[in-house]
Amino acid sequence: GAVVSQHPSWVICKSGTSVKIECRSLDFQATTMFWYRQFPKQSLMLMATSNEGSKATYEQGVEKDKFLINHASLTLSTLTVTSAHPEDSSFYICSARPVGKMHPYEQYFGPGTRLTVT
Amino acid sequence: EDKVVQSPLSLVVHEGDTVTLNCSYEVTNFRSLLWYKQEKKAPTFLFMLTSSGIEKKSGRLSSILDKKELFSILNITATQTGDSAIYLCAREGAQKLVFGQGTRLTINP
Repeated sequence: GAVVSQHPSWVICKSGTSVKIECRSLDFQATTMFWYRQFPKQSLMLMATSNEGSKATYEQGVEKDKFLINHASLTLSTLTVTSAHPEDSSFYICSARPVGKMHPYEQYFGPGTRLTVT
Repeated sequence: EDKVVQSPLSLVVHEGDTVTLNCSYEVTNFRSLLWYKQEKKAPTFLFMLTSSGIEKKSGRLSSILDKKELFSILNITATQTGDSAIYLCAREGAQKLVFGQGTRLTINP
């Protein structure tokens, strides 16, 4: 149980275009989903926390207009990278916290999406 | 923001060796410290530590927390090539996890 999927697993896009990444909890409902970014040889950096039906909370230094997050249902959150640039190339990982769980450690990670912007 | 610092950043050993990975943290309001293993994709949970001096053990892996000195170690004995991965520690903060840089462990046959 507690499976989180991401789609696509790998995407290449041209500079200036937008790309959408989906995060789904497959066998549980999640009121909270987290979006992380991981640059090569660096750690996971939390970008934003999204709660179903409300606006996402962004970490300091993360542009909310560039990284649009939508959490429209209890099983789906999307991250849209708008006007992507090569420096946005990274590994994006989402995680989901099941309904009723309150602690930050109670989250399950997706397999990640590798974004390459050319 | 409270930092989490791991060392070494990279470690290469031979199969059968024992390794110790370190994680130190700054704290204003400590709740727990977690260890994850990341093999190319999603991190998988290993241990959660909340109390000082109590060792958590799972097979060849063990971990312990020192809340006075603000650090934790992850030990892996009799390493195998399948242990090659990035090991991440994370501190539980207010409604989020704060990760360290990770230790990239490579086990050579």
